[in-house]
Formats: sequence, structure tokens, C-alpha cells
Amino acid sequence: DSGVTQTPKHLITATGQRVTLRCSPRSGDLSVYWYQQSLDQGLQFLIQYYNGEERAKGNILERFSAQQFPDLHSELNLSSLELGDSALYFCASRLAGGPPSTDTQYFGPGTRLTVL
Amino acid sequence: GESVGLHLPTLSVQEGDNSIINCAYSNSASDYFIWYKQESGKGPQFIIDIRSNMDKRQGQRVTVLLNKTVKHLSLQIAATQPGDSAVYFCAAKGFQKLVFGTGTRLLVSP
Repeated sequence: DSGVTQTPKHLITATGQRVTLRCSPRSGDLSVYWYQQSLDQGLQFLIQYYNGEERAKGNILERFSAQQFPDLHSELNLSSLELGDSALYFCASRLAGGPPSTDTQYFGPGTRLTVL
Repeated sequence: GESVGLHLPTLSVQEGDNSIINCAYSNSASDYFIWYKQESGKGPQFIIDIRSNMDKRQGQRVTVLLNKTVKHLSLQIAATQPGDSAVYFCAAKGFQKLVFGTGTRLLVSP
């Protein structure tokens, strides 16, 4: 158990809909990262938040947005869903701002999104 | 752009053999590298990491080797067990993010 939690575990929805995925980082971690993993693909970095502020952006679509709240949990919002958005969505957390040994990202169990 | 690639999509070994999974990275400025293990239906699990000021680091049954000259990283698993069956990802630290490879699936047969 990495200490990162994600809800829901599974999500099935229809095209055009909007969903929200939730992530709670490890206790004390300030950074949250979101990744998308499609079938048999690697992890694609979407976005990073650090202590409530957006820190870095990867291949995130404009239909997707995220935020990090004062209690450091994060939400990833996916809207106008398309079939191709079906994937595993992972969040990872990292202490950040600490010594170099804290560069490790710890992953949650993921949310499997199926768009029908 | 930055990229990380693994040499083999699948590696099949016998139980008890040593496994070697290779990875190449493109960014010569990367100073931190991680190996993750992902079992089916689970999130990536940290295995071992290494900084660019080292060329070898050992953990429990795992060793990571870093060759900065050719930008190559490898993960060695000693006495591979069926429980080691998973997809293994290497990642290199890029600008403000980790860049992941596509993964090598390790299959361990009894």
C-alpha cells in the first residue's frame, strides 16, 4: 500500500458526459501528479499540482482539468468524454521541496474509466 | 522531446533465472531514474531508484545499473520468482516531470 488513495476504483459512463476522479496523497506529500494509461501503453503525464498550485502540464486535453484543494487532495475533471478517453487514470504523490531523496513518486491504485 | 524506451516489450524467463530489463533514455541532463513494477490491475509500485552520481545501486534481489555514457539503464532481478511477473517501467527525471518508458512485461514460468 503506497498510502495514495483514489476513488472511484471503476467508472463507467457514456460519451459526452463529465466525471470527476479523486485522489488523496500520502500524508505530508505536497505534490500530486495525474497520469493516463491506455491499454498496453506507458504512463502519460497529464498535470502536476504542488501545494494547491499548478506546477507542470503534460499532454492534457483542454476537456480535462484538475485542481488541488487546501487539504491537498486533488480532483481530475474529464468532460465531453469520448470513447478514446477510456483508460486507467493514476495519481501519484511526492513530498516535493525536500531533499533530493524525495523525488520518488508514489502511485495510487488508479481509476479505470470506461466510456461507452 | 524527451523519451524513454525499453528494449524488449516482453521478456520470458524460467523461475530461478536472473532477469535483465534494459532501458534507454534520451535526455543527457536527466539526473534521477526510477524503476517501477506494475501488476495487473494495480498502480505502479516503486522498486528502486538511482541518481546520476552513481552507476550501480542494489536492493533486495534487484540491482540497477546506470551507464550515462550511452544513456542506458538496466534492472537486474536475481533468482526471479513467479511473483515477479509484471510490467516493469523505467522513468527518467525530465524538466519538472518523470518521463516513462512503455514497459517490459516479465513472464516467469515455473
